[in-house]
Amino acid sequence: QQQVKQSPQSLIVQKGGISIINCAYENTAFDYFPWYQQFPGKGPALLIAIRPDVSEKKEGRFTISFNKSAKQFSLHIMDSQPGDSATYFCAASRYSSASKIIFGSGTRLSIRP
Amino acid sequence: KAGVTQTPRYLIKTRGQQVTLSCSPISGHRSVSWYQQTPGQGLQFLFEYFSETQRNKGNFPGRFSGRQFSNSRSEMNVSTLELGDSALYLCASSWTGENYGYTFGSGTRLTVV
Repeated sequence: QQQVKQSPQSLIVQKGGISIINCAYENTAFDYFPWYQQFPGKGPALLIAIRPDVSEKKEGRFTISFNKSAKQFSLHIMDSQPGDSATYFCAASRYSSASKIIFGSGTRLSIRP
Repeated sequence: KAGVTQTPRYLIKTRGQQVTLSCSPISGHRSVSWYQQTPGQGLQFLFEYFSETQRNKGNFPGRFSGRQFSNSRSEMNVSTLELGDSALYLCASSWTGENYGYTFGSGTRLTVV
């Protein structure tokens, strides 16, 4: 019940295309859903996050779509660029114990020029 | 401003030994969390310290321990090392522990031989 399931494991997208990564959770107590971006040799960096009281959040080319009834959320990267090539992790936590982040298994995204 | 600093960056230890990893949080940050990252298990929460007290704990054996000093610097100790402890150990800090404020360091790569 603590798991966050992420797919696909790897993704190749052409430059300018849309990258879509999906995640699903079981624990309805989760109330905070961040996405992290990790480059080789670096720690994860917070990209964008959403609370379950909204269905969508957009920041630049990055959009989170959230479906509370289906317990699913996804990251869309519009106009994907080679610099977006990285590993992306969805995550979930309870805001009351926000340090205990449950991460998905990660998606290795490659953007082809 | 300086980010989260983890030392050393790389470490090779022999099975059965113990190891201590260090994390210096961003100045003013009082919450420090530790995560283990492996290809097989992904990112897993170890524990969180806030104002020198352990506030949250993950599901790791007692061989994994930590502490936080009055200047918020934190150390993580692993005793009786096993081959399976080989991983990237990440430290993250924030002002008070809110998820959105977490900044990760680049990690310590521990190899147990």
